[in-house]
Amino acid sequence: GNSVTQMEGPVTLSEEAFLTINCTYTATGYPSLFWYVQYPGEGLQLLLKATKADDKGSNKGFEATYRKETTSFHLEKGSVQVSDSAVYFCALGNSGTYKYIFGTGTRLKVLA
Amino acid sequence: DGGITQSPKYLFRKEGQNVTLSCEQNLNHDAMYWYRQDPGQGLRLIYYSQIVNDFQKGDIAEGYSVSREKKESFPLTVTSAQKNPTAFYLCASSIDPTNYGYTFGSGTRLTVV
Repeated sequence: GNSVTQMEGPVTLSEEAFLTINCTYTATGYPSLFWYVQYPGEGLQLLLKATKADDKGSNKGFEATYRKETTSFHLEKGSVQVSDSAVYFCALGNSGTYKYIFGTGTRLKVLA
Repeated sequence: DGGITQSPKYLFRKEGQNVTLSCEQNLNHDAMYWYRQDPGQGLRLIYYSQIVNDFQKGDIAEGYSVSREKKESFPLTVTSAQKNPTAFYLCASSIDPTNYGYTFGSGTRLTVV
């Protein structure tokens, strides 16, 4: 079956540090991959997406590349800010189904 | 501005009572979802609906019920049969989850007192 595995947190970084949050998946067919961000006490917001292999999703300085050969979709940002502190979720969606598979989330804390 | 609205933001319930959480969207999305989130954990799917008057159980449907009488509305009832209902509940909608992802509401925090 389909599954998503995220690195466990929390991840604590200093401001302007480089961020990587790992996400790997198993899936049949050709899934779409997503990163969502959740700020404290709020719902999730779509951060970026990639719908086919080798696509790169990007938004607000965050990037992730859909790598079929390594079944990965790692989230990266070159220089994090305190305002990036949140929980990040990797998710997988497969055509023909309306259901997502979410990872367990990775908490990021950025220190000034 | 289109969006998805959940109400109330905070809800307190006495043990043995049913309670209904509201979810309304004006995005013209066909599909709607209810997720439960426990502290420090991921999201678990309770129910989802792809079209009006139709819905399917998710992974943890026991103790919950839903209806989908209108495209815009997908209320969730937490019944007294739900043994551990204290959690953060998230509603989402989508026009095409594979290509466009979900739009989430801001959530309802339910506490049993």
